[in-house]
Amino acid sequence: AAGVIQSPRHLIKEKRETATLKCYPIPRHDTVYWYQQGPGQDPQFLISFYEKMQSDKGSIPDRFSAQQFSDYHSELNMSSLELGDSALYFCASSFSGGSGTDTQYFGPGTRLTVL
Amino acid sequence: GNSVTQMEGPVTLSEEAFLTINCTYTATGYPSLFWYVQYPGEGLQLLLKATKADDKGSNKGFEATYRKETTSFHLEKGSVQVSDSAVYFCALSDLAGGTSYGKLTFGQGTILTVHP
Repeated sequence: AAGVIQSPRHLIKEKRETATLKCYPIPRHDTVYWYQQGPGQDPQFLISFYEKMQSDKGSIPDRFSAQQFSDYHSELNMSSLELGDSALYFCASSFSGGSGTDTQYFGPGTRLTVL
Repeated sequence: GNSVTQMEGPVTLSEEAFLTINCTYTATGYPSLFWYVQYPGEGLQLLLKATKADDKGSNKGFEATYRKETTSFHLEKGSVQVSDSAVYFCALSDLAGGTSYGKLTFGQGTILTVHP
C-alpha cells in the first residue's frame, strides 16, 4: 500500500539559511499534519491542513510557513534557520472528511541538521 | 489542555517476558487513544488504537484498553521478542470544541530494549 512520502530524507543547512521540506500524502487523504521531533523528545504538532486550507496551528515559529497544494502535497518552509531547528520533521496524513477523527499515518521523516 | 504521561523508561526485559508500559491522559473531551512505535532511524508506525471507552486495541500481540474511569491506556504484551525493541509513544487526539482537528498529543516515549 502507498505510504506517506517525504523529501528529502536528510538535509544539512547552515545557520540563517532556508529549507523546504516536502510531503506527499497517501492518495485520497485530505488532511496533512506536520510534527517536529527534537533529539530524545516526543513529536510536537506544528500545523495541519484540510483540503488545502490551514485547519490548526501549534507551536510553529513565525520563521516557518507551510501550505498544501492543489495536488494535496504539502511543503514546510523554514527561514533564518537556527541551531535549535535541528530535528526530525514528520508529515502525517489522514482521511478525515473534515472531522479530524481518522488515523494519522506518518512518513519516514526528514532529518534536518543546522550547522 | 491535553496531556499524555507515560511511565519513565528505559525498560529492559528478557525475551518472552511480560511487558506493561503505563499511559495516562488528560483531555477536555472524548479523545481517541493511540500507541505508535518508532524503530531506530525510522518514522512512527501505528501500533493500535481505541476510539471510545472500554474499547480494546490489539495488534501483533500488543493490547491496550481504553479506561475512561482511570484515564489510562496501558500497553501490554504477554511475551516480548528482541524485534520489539523500539520507542513506544502513547498519544491522544481530542476534538473537544471542534477546534483541534485531530492533532496528536504525544507522551514522552518509552524506550524498550529486549535481550535474548
